[in-house]
Amino acid sequence: GAVVSQHPSRVICKSGTSVKIECRSLDFQATTMFWYRQFPKQSLMLMATSNEGSKATYEQGVEKDKFLINHASLTLSTLTVTSAHPEDSSFYICSARVTGTGGEQYFGPGTRLTVT
Amino acid sequence: GESVGLHLPTLSVQEGDNSIINCAYSNSASDYFIWYKQESGKGPQFIIDIRSNMDKRQGQRVTVLLNKTVKHLSLQIAATQPGDSAVYFCAENSGGSNYKLTFGKGTLLTVNP
Repeated sequence: GAVVSQHPSRVICKSGTSVKIECRSLDFQATTMFWYRQFPKQSLMLMATSNEGSKATYEQGVEKDKFLINHASLTLSTLTVTSAHPEDSSFYICSARVTGTGGEQYFGPGTRLTVT
Repeated sequence: GESVGLHLPTLSVQEGDNSIINCAYSNSASDYFIWYKQESGKGPQFIIDIRSNMDKRQGQRVTVLLNKTVKHLSLQIAATQPGDSAVYFCAENSGGSNYKLTFGKGTLLTVNP
């Protein structure tokens, strides 16, 4: 149980285009999902907290107009990287917290974004 | 041995030895801690957690120790196996309704056969 999927697993896009990444909780409902970014040999940095039915809460320094988050259902959150640039190339990981439980988060397998 | 520098801290052990991975957390108000294992190109995998009202918790081959006085967390892996080779992260939750996690820098564990 508690499986989180991400799609796509890898994506290559051209500079200036937008890319959407999906995060799904497969066997549980997740009121809260989180989006992280991870650069090579570094830790996970929280970008934003996504709450179902409300606006996402962004961490300091993360541009909300560039990283659009939508959490339209209890099992799906999407992250759209708008007008992508090479410096946005990174490993994007989502996690989901089971509704009604404590702090344990289940992580997706990650999405490798490369912007050329 | 263990080294810390500009790069990811590393720990190299022989297969069958016990491993100890350390983590210093930042927020004295944190009440929940988790250890994650991350293999190359994959998302973090939950290993074990501990709440602030405990100082030790054991799982299968793993033990987490929490010292709140010095804000220190450790993960002990018994009889380390090559499959344990990965990056290990500690994460802390400082409370709040959203349960945001703050991740530590991570330690690369290499198990030599």
